Amino acid sequence: QKEVEQNSGPLSVPEGAIASLNCTYSDRGSQSFFWYRQYSGKSPELIMSIYSNGDKEDGRFTAQLNKASQYVSLLIRDSQPSDSATYLCAVGSNSNSGYALNFGKGTSLLVTP
Amino acid sequence: DGGITQSPKYLFRKEGQNVTLSCEQNLNHDAMYWYRQDPGQGLRLIYYSQIVNDFQKGDIAEGYSVSREKKESFPLTVTSAQKNPTAFYLCASSILPGTNEQYFGPGTRLTVT
Repeated sequence: QKEVEQNSGPLSVPEGAIASLNCTYSDRGSQSFFWYRQYSGKSPELIMSIYSNGDKEDGRFTAQLNKASQYVSLLIRDSQPSDSATYLCAVGSNSNSGYALNFGKGTSLLVTP
Repeated sequence: DGGITQSPKYLFRKEGQNVTLSCEQNLNHDAMYWYRQDPGQGLRLIYYSQIVNDFQKGDIAEGYSVSREKKESFPLTVTSAQKNPTAFYLCASSILPGTNEQYFGPGTRLTVT
């Protein structure tokens, strides 16, 4: 069973702070890692992808990957109330059915003004 | 505009009826996927297709059927054999089979009573 674990939250941070979202995965053969943002009642939106160890920055978002620890994280700097959403961690592997992604259940983030 | 469309947005059916959910993409993506999302749950893979006229079962295919007669289209039929069909159904596509980024349509929320 390939598992992707996330803390369900809610994670509450004040506006302007850094939000840190974490994800662990069980399949050591995993090769690709994604963060999706999902607003209530909407579909997931891809916001970050990372494939190699280290950090990847895109605007206010930074994804961090540590394959040895089987850990991937998402940092959101200068958090805004509009960042309030559920963040889904997704992990891909060549051994997955049709290269589909394994998703965590998501972490709910609340940014308070 | 390129993207993935799903219709209808909301669908209500009586128990015992089959229903077909539409998914169309104009991104020229090869692979298409159907996921199901239940409240508080991660996305679960129903079916996937990597090329036209070929599709494979995912983790929860029982009670569902699909077709892939055109690259752009991947409709999902929820049959009366599906025991708990009420859910949020999400169609996704990716440019190549493989651990690449997947993009989601807006989803169809199905309610069966």
